[in-house]
Amino acid sequence: EIVLTQSPGTLSLSPGERATLSCRASQSISSSYLAWYRQKPGQAPRLLIYGASSRATGIPDRFSGSGSGTDFTLTINRLEPEDFAVYYCQQYGSSPLTFGGGTKVEIK
Amino acid sequence: EVQLLESGGGLVQPGGSLRLSCAASEFTFSSYAMNWVRQAPGKGLEWVSVISVSGGSTQYADSVKGRFTISRDNSKNTLYLQMNSLRAEDTAVYYCAKTAYAYGEHYFDLWGQGTPVTVSS
Repeated sequence: EIVLTQSPGTLSLSPGERATLSCRASQSISSSYLAWYRQKPGQAPRLLIYGASSRATGIPDRFSGSGSGTDFTLTINRLEPEDFAVYYCQQYGSSPLTFGGGTKVEIK
Repeated sequence: EVQLLESGGGLVQPGGSLRLSCAASEFTFSSYAMNWVRQAPGKGLEWVSVISVSGGSTQYADSVKGRFTISRDNSKNTLYLQMNSLRAEDTAVYYCAKTAYAYGEHYFDLWGQGTPVTVSS
């Protein structure tokens, strides 16, 4: 199975700053089948990005995804209070589906 | 409002069984593959199972294969997860999650709020 490694484990930033989150795969992900989710405390995850760079419905343009092969990045410009949460990447190019371990974005 | 609502979680002894349900509303449930994803306390997300629109195709994570069974009733807009031979390591919040496709393994564009399952004596 494809193992996804997210870094850093925790990112300490201030509102208004930019966050850059990394997701590295143990083998190439076909067709850039990678998604990103945000999970706020006590809530279900919410889809942000699919296909490595396509924003999901209703997701503001301060969220952007990039990358291919084994290296992917989620960038959040101008952090808002609701963006302080845990972020997960997920690959769906190979069975079984797998998730990364998550990156927590916390208020500095 | 488009939503998924899980139920059926609770406390069960090791070796016991539990059946989770997920009721869908305000979208055409019968047009999309559906999944179960779980999250152990303080841990990350783990995909559990997927079922195609007709129910004719199912897949499972190795960790639950042979113990869990996913099914759906399109007439009731409801997804199920029958969990047997439960172990302590099955303790988690169980989410149902919709994909944007009729079959196969994909990303999840709609999640329920989750139902907690605790396996303990």
